[in-house]
Amino acid sequence: TQLLEQSPQFLSIQEGENLTVYCNSSSVFSSLQWYRQEPGEGPVLLVTVVTGGEVKKLKRLTFQFGDARKDSSLHITAAQPGDTGLYLCAGEHGNNRLAFGKGNQVVVIP
Amino acid sequence: DAGVIQSPRHEVTEMGQEVTLRCKPISGHNSLFWYRQTMMRGLELLIYFNNNVPIDDSGMPEDRFSAKMPNASFSTLKIQPSEPRDSAVYFCASSPRQGLAYGYTFGSGTRLTVV
Repeated sequence: TQLLEQSPQFLSIQEGENLTVYCNSSSVFSSLQWYRQEPGEGPVLLVTVVTGGEVKKLKRLTFQFGDARKDSSLHITAAQPGDTGLYLCAGEHGNNRLAFGKGNQVVVIP
Repeated sequence: DAGVIQSPRHEVTEMGQEVTLRCKPISGHNSLFWYRQTMMRGLELLIYFNNNVPIDDSGMPEDRFSAKMPNASFSTLKIQPSEPRDSAVYFCASSPRQGLAYGYTFGSGTRLTVV
C-alpha cells in the first residue's frame, strides 16, 4: 500500500493550459515536499510546505498543503514545455525520512 | 559543489554476478539515503545512514543487498548475487544537518539491468 497516492498518474496538455495534480494520504505529515524529476536525472526539490493550509508560489507553480496536513496540490498556470516532467510528492515519515508517491507524469505539448 | 555523485551511470550485468554501486554525498551533509525506483513501485527507501551509521535498513529487500558507509564522503550499495528483478534505477541522496527543510539532494542515479 502506497503511503502517498498521486493523481492523475499521467496528464498531457497543450502549452498555455492550466493543470492541477494531487497528492493524498490518510496519514498526517509534519511537512510535505514536491520534487520534479526529468528523464535520466534524480528528483530536484521544488518546495517544502509545513503549515496546514499553507500556499506557496514558485513562478507559475502554486503549491497548497491541506488544512489537515494529509494532502497537497500543485497547480501550474500557463504550462510550458519546460514544465514537462515527473512531479513527486514526499511526506516526512519518521526522523528525517521521506516517503514518496509514485508521481504525476506531466507532458506539455508545444 | 558538484552535488551528489553516483557511479556508474549505467550497469548491465548477468544474473548471479556481484554489483557495487557507489555514492559520494555533498560535503557537510550528515544523512545519506539509498532509494530504488521502478515503474511499479516508485521510489522505495532501501537504507539510510546518519553520521555514517546505518539507522534503518528495513527497506533492504533481502540478504543479497548490503550497504556501507566507511566515511562521511563515500557509500556503497552491493548486490550479491544479482537477479533480473533487481533491475531498476538506484538513487543516492543526502541531506544537511539542518534537516528536511532543505530537502534531499539526489544524484543522477545508476540504471541497473540484470540479464
